[in-house]
Amino acid sequence: DTGVSQDPRHKITKRGQNVTFRCDPISEHNRLYWYRQTLGQGPEFLTYFQNEAQLEKSRLLSDRFSAERPKGSFSTLEIQRTEQGDSAMYLCASITLDSGNTIYFGEGSWLTVV
Amino acid sequence: KQEVTQIPAALSVPEGENLVLNCSFTDSAIYNLQWFRQDPGKGLTSLLLIQSSQREQTSGRLNASLDKSSGRSTLYIAASQPGDSATYLCAVKTNQAGTALIFGKGTTLSVSS
Repeated sequence: DTGVSQDPRHKITKRGQNVTFRCDPISEHNRLYWYRQTLGQGPEFLTYFQNEAQLEKSRLLSDRFSAERPKGSFSTLEIQRTEQGDSAMYLCASITLDSGNTIYFGEGSWLTVV
Repeated sequence: KQEVTQIPAALSVPEGENLVLNCSFTDSAIYNLQWFRQDPGKGLTSLLLIQSSQREQTSGRLNASLDKSSGRSTLYIAASQPGDSATYLCAVKTNQAGTALIFGKGTTLSVSS
């Protein structure tokens, strides 16, 4: 068990480009979350999967954002036509009920849109 | 709509001091409350989780209390150390389903040696 892994850790992109982030949760964790965090703020919920099903999406998740978890294991978060306001850290987290509701976060993926 | 507030936003103390971080939430109907630690540029590490039926949890030098009726939680850190310097975040979960955590903005703690 190596914890929640996120890739890439840092991404600089030009406005208008598409970016994709990957998250590998702790194995057998059936719930996976994506959050966004900007400087000086707490993380804000984006979306959540139970196994491969995307069960909840925040209003923050505009139509430029899409997330998948095709086999109920790893997940991807894609941002199309990036804007400067998308610059943030994107955090992935996973949990299983057997863990006593303790949620485990990855190290995050920093996005800078220039 | 649930809102979580943390006071103070920043705190500086000398090594060895005991300190208290505060968290308040607007809707007392919570499922649980968690305290997290975040080092600069890093992810979050769960420190303590308090279920809605519990009043407090302890881990080492950390003690977290929960008063649902008043919408408050405190994180007590005993005998602070420079290694405790980090941002501490409070988050509430409103039900058992997958509904996400709602976070405060955090308190940034600096412990000087």
